[in-house]
Amino acid sequence: DADVTQTPRNRITKTGKRIMLECSQTKGHDRMYWYRQDPGLGLRLIYYSFDVKDINKGEISDGYSVSRQAQAKFSLSLESAIPNQTALYFCATSQDIQETQYFGPGTRLLVL
Amino acid sequence: QQQVKQSPQSLIVQKGGISIINCAYENTAFDYFPWYQQFPGKGPALLIAIRPDVSEKKEGRFTISFNKSAKQFSLHIMDSQPGDSATYFCAARTMNRDDKIIFGKGTRLHILP
Repeated sequence: DADVTQTPRNRITKTGKRIMLECSQTKGHDRMYWYRQDPGLGLRLIYYSFDVKDINKGEISDGYSVSRQAQAKFSLSLESAIPNQTALYFCATSQDIQETQYFGPGTRLLVL
Repeated sequence: QQQVKQSPQSLIVQKGGISIINCAYENTAFDYFPWYQQFPGKGPALLIAIRPDVSEKKEGRFTISFNKSAKQFSLHIMDSQPGDSATYFCAARTMNRDDKIIFGKGTRLHILP
């Protein structure tokens, strides 16, 4: 079984709708991250969490919110989706004393 | 100063050739430099990483060359194979507990069969 899972894998929604992307991990890591990937722009950090009570904004947090429901779960919400939020979204985890980030398989989101 | 500049944006190499991707940084506090490999439909995965106390690290056909004075590092893929076709991201971070990894914008590599 995959260590970092994301649901859904693909999502089509309409402008103005609220949607939630979910991430779960079985690696026991404290740190979790949400990234957005766009062609030519690489991976941009949306939000990150060092533990359940520690949530921080990344470089492109406007229009997004997150919830760390447990050590293993980190959800990303788009309160009112807009077309320029169409992108590939990745969740990642890392452990405090390690440097490697482990990425989920991604969620492809299309906002019409 | 937090940026990591990666080039080229895309690269086409003949099978058996050497693929070279370059990255540059400004923040001298960076002290860990990983490379991530991403295949289509998958998330990025750590490929190889280096710390600035060495100038080169080799794992199989993949080599990182590091030039601390120039603040540059590069990935070399020897004997490139079609299976190496992927997007490659360089990255950098400090070892401060609260710091994050900074990724380059990625290089799409295509190896011609």
